[in-house]
Amino acid sequence: LAKTTQPISMDSYEGQEVNITCSHNNIATNDYITWYQQFPSQGPRFIIQGYKTKVTNEVASLFIPADRKSSTLSLPRVSLSDTAVYYCLLNTGFQKLVFGTGTRLLVSP
Amino acid sequence: DTGVSQDPRHKITKRGQNVTFRCDPISEHNRLYWYRQTLGQGPEFLTYFQNEAQLEKSRLLSDRFSAERPKGSFSTLEIQRTEQGDSAMYLCASSPPDRGEQYFGPGTRLTVT
Repeated sequence: LAKTTQPISMDSYEGQEVNITCSHNNIATNDYITWYQQFPSQGPRFIIQGYKTKVTNEVASLFIPADRKSSTLSLPRVSLSDTAVYYCLLNTGFQKLVFGTGTRLLVSP
Repeated sequence: DTGVSQDPRHKITKRGQNVTFRCDPISEHNRLYWYRQTLGQGPEFLTYFQNEAQLEKSRLLSDRFSAERPKGSFSTLEIQRTEQGDSAMYLCASSPPDRGEQYFGPGTRLTVT
């Protein structure tokens, strides 16, 4: 079973910032928080991973509070091409990934 | 870096037939994973190789399923006596020795009629 909870769907408009929050109350000390993006008929794509505080890359930012019981994926200025399913996962090192049903983000013009 | 490739991309087969899928990971990635995904669900783990050793198998992997990675490079996933419930997208992923993020292929969509 997935160890995370995230909204089933979100709607946004082009140019807006989108924040997707994920709850993981039972996160273990060794768990990293990882986000993947999936477009229809494609495999998931790694977006970002973090352990604590804030991580930023060219695609997104990941905010993790001190208690690590939740995290927020932030997508700046979304475009239509950001319409996808976003998965929040907990993983330790090189183990299998356990996916939930993800958050379906729809970006409209 | 040419990415993870999978072949075929689509497969339609009749119930009871055997099918085999191939996955070519990113070169020098020593870990290889197979997942299955049905409509509206996230991918579900099937099995995992480190080099040529199969280290973990999910209970989803019934005895009709077998996976191999004979030389620690490409991998095959075979399904014997296919059933309609096997219809799904079969995804392969690989990861490098020093990092845990997994790189997924485009998947093989199996339809069992």
